[in-house]
Amino acid sequence: DTAVSQTPKYLVTQMGNDKSIKCEQNLGHDTMYWYKQDSKKFLKIMFSYNNKELIINETVPNRFSPKSPDKAHLNLHINSLELGDSAVYFCASSQDSAGTDTQYFGPGTRLTVL
Amino acid sequence: AQKVTQAQTEISVVEKEDVTLDCVYETRDTTYYLFWYKQPPSGELVFLIRRNSFDEQNEISGRYSWNFQKSTSSFNFTITASQVVDSAVYFCALPSGYALNFGKGTSLLVTP
Repeated sequence: DTAVSQTPKYLVTQMGNDKSIKCEQNLGHDTMYWYKQDSKKFLKIMFSYNNKELIINETVPNRFSPKSPDKAHLNLHINSLELGDSAVYFCASSQDSAGTDTQYFGPGTRLTVL
Repeated sequence: AQKVTQAQTEISVVEKEDVTLDCVYETRDTTYYLFWYKQPPSGELVFLIRRNSFDEQNEISGRYSWNFQKSTSSFNFTITASQVVDSAVYFCALPSGYALNFGKGTSLLVTP
């Protein structure tokens, strides 16, 4: 069984569209994350979310919004897509929310904005 | 500030050579954790090790070993007798607030 899964694996879309990426974890973890990996492989946190708190990296445009229907799911909605949003997006989960516990990553979603 | 530096951008070795990937960190915390992840060409991020600052003993797992030295703020990763399957980008990471702060990664190419 896949611990952290994401769909879709590839997403190609036009500028200006709205899209969503789904993430599910079956590890029973309390905290989930979204990271962005750019074309130079640099990984940067976008959001952290647990039952109590959403923490947003202040550099993330408000076109990006995480939505969590339950503890096992954290979806990423992106409005009005721009060329610069092209990247690989990774979902991750961990037991705690302090950043010190091991984070397990999904396979990534490669988003291409044309 | 929490910072991780991986000075080696790319390393190329021939199979069976030993290779060490460097990681230097900066932290204001007195206790902390350090991580290594592997990203093979297929793209997923694979967890390799989590180490806390209390324990400076070297860690060995098969052909992989890690050398943690608080005095030099380094957490280096050595692959012994490298194999083609070790070709990947390797990331060192340090918790920063609620998430991981990653280094820029070292791309390792192992050729037959």
